[in-house]
Order: sequence, then structure tokens, then C-alpha cells
Amino acid sequence: EVQLLESGGGLVQPGGYLRLSCAGSGFNFNTYAMAWVRQAPGKGLEWVASISRDGDSTYFTRSVEGRFTIARDNSKSTLSLVMLYVRAEDTAIYYCAKTTGASPRPFDYWGQGTLVTVSS
Amino acid sequence: QSVLTQPPSASETPGQSVTISCSGKRSNIRSNPVSWYQQVPGTAPRLIIYDDNERPSGVPDRFSGSKSGTSASLAISGLQSEDEADYYCAAWDDDLHGWVFGVGTRLTVL
Repeated sequence: EVQLLESGGGLVQPGGYLRLSCAGSGFNFNTYAMAWVRQAPGKGLEWVASISRDGDSTYFTRSVEGRFTIARDNSKSTLSLVMLYVRAEDTAIYYCAKTTGASPRPFDYWGQGTLVTVSS
Repeated sequence: QSVLTQPPSASETPGQSVTISCSGKRSNIRSNPVSWYQQVPGTAPRLIIYDDNERPSGVPDRFSGSKSGTSASLAISGLQSEDEADYYCAAWDDDLHGWVFGVGTRLTVL
């Protein structure tokens, strides 16, 4: 059974730093591109970042480019999102998502999400 | 960056059919496959249609997708109470080099 388990969310001050992690299991992690998708309170889904199977290619939505970094460790089946200089508008549930293959492919499995709240 | 247009809401009675539209442009829907996601409030999204009209295993054949030019549609037949959820379309955008989602359509089964 495919499982994605996010961790690392919490309360962070504006301008601060946060690192999200996602542990994958039940599938061959290095065979699939991975992504982070977020959802602000009461709002719709917003793609944040994607990473290729080997980690060599990364893609970001414009609002986080230069502030967020996506990375993966295929030896440990983990995905991470490092968030720098966070802003109030980064407040959201962050979902880790597995794609159906190489990027860009749709997201067939999602984690339960981790809540990030940016506030002073 | 919700660049895909969806109606904010839709409603229909049980047993009936409903269609949700998704409008984009050349750089996203016309050029790339469309996927659809179902999200029951308080839970994670679920992929229900990919590659315009393919269903993942476990998704009932009451759900179907179609695409023509810069628009796509999700049709749900034989509506059931458990179909009440938010539905999002999505596609890769070649100009933005990223995924774009629709704003979401809240489906109410009356």
C-alpha cells in the first residue's frame, strides 16, 4: 500500500525558516517524480514544487521561487521542502504527492498534509 | 495561480447527472493532458481522472472526462450522496513551466 507521511509543519514567524519532510513507502520511490501541493485555509489547491525522479530537475511556482527548495533522498525514500523567508501567504496545508511517472505527470497518491502557519 | 476557470458550484439530485467544466488556454489544456481531483472537505485530494479521460483503478465508471481544444469537462452520472465534494481540474502549463489548478467546483447532491 502506497503511503506518504508528511511532518515538520507548525507555527513560524514571518521571515523565518521551516523544513517539511515526507516519507514514502509501499512503492519504488526512485521511479516517480514527486511534488508538494498546498491549500490555504478555505481556498483551492495550489501546486508548489516538483522534482524529477533522480532529483536533477526541480520546478517551482513563481511565488516561492528563490525562497523554497525541494529535494529528495532516494536511498531513504524521503522528500523535503525547505521554506525560507516565509510569508503570511505561505500559510496552508502542505501535501506531499506522488506522480504517476516522470514529471510532469498527475498526482495519484497524496499524504494527509501538514499545516504551516506563518504568523507573529 | 488559478489559471483554469471552473464554475464555483454545481448541484443536482441523486441519480441524476452533472457536468463540470474547466476552461484554460493553448499552453495548458490544449497542449497537455488534463487530470481531475475529488476532495471531500477535511481530507486529502483523490485523483479520479488523468490523461483527459482515464480512470485510476477503483474509480467508478460513473466518472468520465473529456477534452476539446482549450476546455475540459468532468461528467458524473448516477449521482450519489458520497459524490458531494470539491472537484479540481489541473494541467501542466508550458509557459509557466508548472502545474495549474482550477479554482474548484463544490458539488452539492441535493
